[in-house]
Amino acid sequence: GAVVSQHPSWVICKSGTSVKIECRSLDFQATTMFWYRQFPKQSLMLMATSNEGSKATYEQGVEKDKFLINHASLTLSTLTVTSAHPEDSSFYICSARGWTGGENEKLFFGSGTQLSVL
Amino acid sequence: GESVGLHLPTLSVQEGDNSIINCAYSNSASDYFIWYKQESGKGPQFIIDIRSNMDKRQGQRVTVLLNKTVKHLSLQIAATQPGDSAVYFCAENRGYSTLTFGKGTMLLVSP
Repeated sequence: GAVVSQHPSWVICKSGTSVKIECRSLDFQATTMFWYRQFPKQSLMLMATSNEGSKATYEQGVEKDKFLINHASLTLSTLTVTSAHPEDSSFYICSARGWTGGENEKLFFGSGTQLSVL
Repeated sequence: GESVGLHLPTLSVQEGDNSIINCAYSNSASDYFIWYKQESGKGPQFIIDIRSNMDKRQGQRVTVLLNKTVKHLSLQIAATQPGDSAVYFCAENRGYSTLTFGKGTMLLVSP
């Protein structure tokens, strides 16, 4: 099946520093990638939608200057949490949409990144 | 706003039992539904999907039922195993829009 690779799987950083998370589609081209945030025992909340070669579309309430998204190629999107603070600590998940055969274009998820800001 | 929701936050079953996880949705325009399984510290894993022109779809040990009349979706897992313990999310999609996830149900399987 299709694979979406997300790195790092966990990261601990000091308050005020920036953290970059990578999301790669390994065996298919992803025209669209999505970034989610998930707090413990809660559902996934969509942060932004990223289309290759264009600016990301952010959901209401998500600061675009704080969560920088770059989707420079059909297989790579990055999320940078700038000037991270403890309240940014969360589980971040990316997903990629693409054709892998079959009748439907499916959505595949990365394994997530646990960010802890001290 | 319209949303997808779940009735049961936690479901505890014995190994070998059949499990049923329910989901209610309110957007009648949704035409595609997916069930995901999420284990602790991992991303969601696709289980099964169904389009609105169907009312039942079967996979390996899993069945999804869709009742459009009452806007209800269910996931049935046959012969539940300890490895099935996880949080299960339903998600809805309308056209080419983004997915909307439900709150999730934790399934606990006892040996």
